Amino acid sequence: DTGVSQNPRHKITKRGQNVTFRCDPISEHNRLYWYRQTLGQGPEFLTYFQNEAQLEKSRLLSDRFSAERPKGSFSTLEIQRTEQGDSAMYLCASRGRGNTPYEQYFGPGTRLTVT
Amino acid sequence: AQSVTQPDIHITVSEGASLELRCNYSYGATPYLFWYVQSPGQGLQLLLKYFSGDTLVQGIKGFEAEFKRSQSSFNLRKPSVHWSDAAEYFCAVGAPQGAQKLVFGQGTRLTINP
Repeated sequence: DTGVSQNPRHKITKRGQNVTFRCDPISEHNRLYWYRQTLGQGPEFLTYFQNEAQLEKSRLLSDRFSAERPKGSFSTLEIQRTEQGDSAMYLCASRGRGNTPYEQYFGPGTRLTVT
Repeated sequence: AQSVTQPDIHITVSEGASLELRCNYSYGATPYLFWYVQSPGQGLQLLLKYFSGDTLVQGIKGFEAEFKRSQSSFNLRKPSVHWSDAAEYFCAVGAPQGAQKLVFGQGTRLTINP
C-alpha cells in the first residue's frame, strides 16, 4: 500500500492555458474524490467517482473543469482556459469497500499557480 | 446542509502544554466525524474518527476527541504537545447523501512555542 499519489506536485501556468493533473488512488480503492483547497480554507468537494463512473459533481466544477477515471484506476482532472481564481491546491482522495463510510485517504495534492 | 465550524483560526501553545481544538458541526442525525492534520507540503492525514459507540475516541500521535451531542461538538485534545505537532488541523463531517463526501471546517493552525 503506497498511498494516494498525485502528479505533478506543483504546476505554474499562465492564464488561459490548459492544465491536467493525475491521481493514482490506493490500489483496489473503488471510490475516488477530488477536492479543492484555497489558502486559509478547508478542502471543498469537487467530484466523485465510483469505479469509472462519475456520479457527482459540485457546482464549484465549472464547465472549464473535466475529470475522468477511464479504467476505474487513476483519474485525471483537467482545467481549460485557466483563470487566476483557479489557483489552489487540488487534492485527491480514495476510499475502499472495506473502509468506514466517509473515511478517505488523501494524496499530497497538486498546487496550481496561475499567473 | 451539513457544516463545520472551527472557531479558532490560529492557536499558539508552548511545547509540553495541553491542547484543545474546537469543532462544532451542524447535522440532523448522528454524524460521522473526523479530524485530519495537514503539515506543510503534505496531504491530509487522518487522526481519528467517530461514528458510534464510545464518545471518547483515541487516535494516532496521542490525540483524542470527544463527541458531545448536546453541544454539537467534537473537540480534539492532546495532553502534552510536541514541536512536531505544529500543523493545520481540520475537522470534517460526512455528508450522507450521494457521494458520501466530507465537509470540512476552515481549519485551525497550530503553532508550538519552544
